Amino acid sequence: EVQLVESGGVVVQPGGSLRLSCAASGFTFDDYAMHWVRQAPGKGLEWVSLISWDGGSTYYADSVKGRFTISRDNSKNSLYLQMNSLRAEDTALYYCAKDGGGGGYYFDYWGQGTLVTVSS
Amino acid sequence: QSALTQPASVSGSPGQSITISCTGTSSDVGGYNYVSWYQQHPGKAPKLMIYDVSNRPSGVSNRFSGSKSGNTASLTISGLQAEDEADYYCSSYTSSSTLEVVFGGGTKLTVL
Repeated sequence: EVQLVESGGVVVQPGGSLRLSCAASGFTFDDYAMHWVRQAPGKGLEWVSLISWDGGSTYYADSVKGRFTISRDNSKNSLYLQMNSLRAEDTALYYCAKDGGGGGYYFDYWGQGTLVTVSS
Repeated sequence: QSALTQPASVSGSPGQSITISCTGTSSDVGGYNYVSWYQQHPGKAPKLMIYDVSNRPSGVSNRFSGSKSGNTASLTISGLQAEDEADYYCSSYTSSSTLEVVFGGGTKLTVL
């Protein structure tokens, strides 16, 4: 059974930093790209970032480019999101999602999310 | 403003069929067969319902189907059931220089 478990979400002040983690199990982690997707309270889904199976390629939404860094440790079956220079608009539930493995990126498994609140 | 346009809400009675549209551009929906659809119940994580325009993952009811025409993709739910009441989001690969994946704003489905 595929499981994705996020952690690291807390309340942080504007301008602060945070590192989210996602522990994966139930599939061959290093065979798949992985994503972070976020959802602000009461709002829709927003794709945040993507990392290739080997970590060699990374992509970011314009809203987080230059502030967030995605990474992975295949030896630990773990995905990370380093978040710097946080803003109020980064407040959201952050989901870790497994890529479906096709050519065009879709999310076939999701974690339950970890809540990041940026507030003074 | 979301990159893909969905109606804010749709409704239908049990047993009826409904269709949710998802309109993009030739850089996303219209340019690739990489549209996916997600169901989200309140307080829950999204669930993949359709991928690559019209493919259903194992375990998803065949009452759910997807299609595409030009820059608009559609999700059809037939034989509506009470448990189908949820938010639905479309998503597409995009060749935009600033994004790799775009979502629609979401559609609230109400089963009357």
